[in-house]
Amino acid sequence: EVQLVESGGGLVKPGGSLRLSCAASGFAFSSYNMNWVRQAPGKGLEWVSSISSSGTFIDYADSLRGRFTISRDNTKKLLYLQMNSLRAEDSAVYYCARDEEMATYGSSFDYWGQGTLVTVSS
Amino acid sequence: QLVLTQLPSASASLGASVTLTCTLSTGHSSYAIAWHQQQPEKGPRYLMKVNSDGSHNKGDGIPDRFSGSSSGAERYLTISSLQSEDEADYYCQTWGTGNRVFGGGTKLTVL
Repeated sequence: EVQLVESGGGLVKPGGSLRLSCAASGFAFSSYNMNWVRQAPGKGLEWVSSISSSGTFIDYADSLRGRFTISRDNTKKLLYLQMNSLRAEDSAVYYCARDEEMATYGSSFDYWGQGTLVTVSS
Repeated sequence: QLVLTQLPSASASLGASVTLTCTLSTGHSSYAIAWHQQQPEKGPRYLMKVNSDGSHNKGDGIPDRFSGSSSGAERYLTISSLQSEDEADYYCQTWGTGNRVFGGGTKLTVL
């Protein structure tokens, strides 16, 4: 069974940093591209970042580039999101999601985690 | 610019059918999209991928009541025999070079 479990969320002050993790199981993690998506309270889904299976290719939403860094450890089956210079508007539930297609970089997201809540407040 | 447009709300009666629409921006009518369901207080769940030719591939365990289709730049999600648990937000998603895009979501109310 495919499972994605996020962790690392919490309360952080504006300007602070946080690192989120996503633990993968039930599939060949190193073969799949992975993604982070966030959802602010009462709002829709917003794509954050994507990383290819080997980590060679990385994309970010334009509004986040420079503050957030995606990475992965295929030996540990972990996906990360390092978030720096956090702002109140970064408060959201952060989800990790798996790309459906292995052969191409960029596809539908076929499995999602349950999310981890990040709250940026003084 | 790659954009997906969805109506903010829809409603239909228990046991009836409903079709939700996701519209691709000009110049992107050949793109495939994915549909995701988000029930209240839960994470998103993948429903299916819908290709430009109308073919669709459903996710694991998705009931036959859910189907997808296409026409031009529009991608559809049809839910038949509506059940109370179908009341949820539905998002379409697509992907391009360097980005991934979500529609604004449609909140489906089952009457």
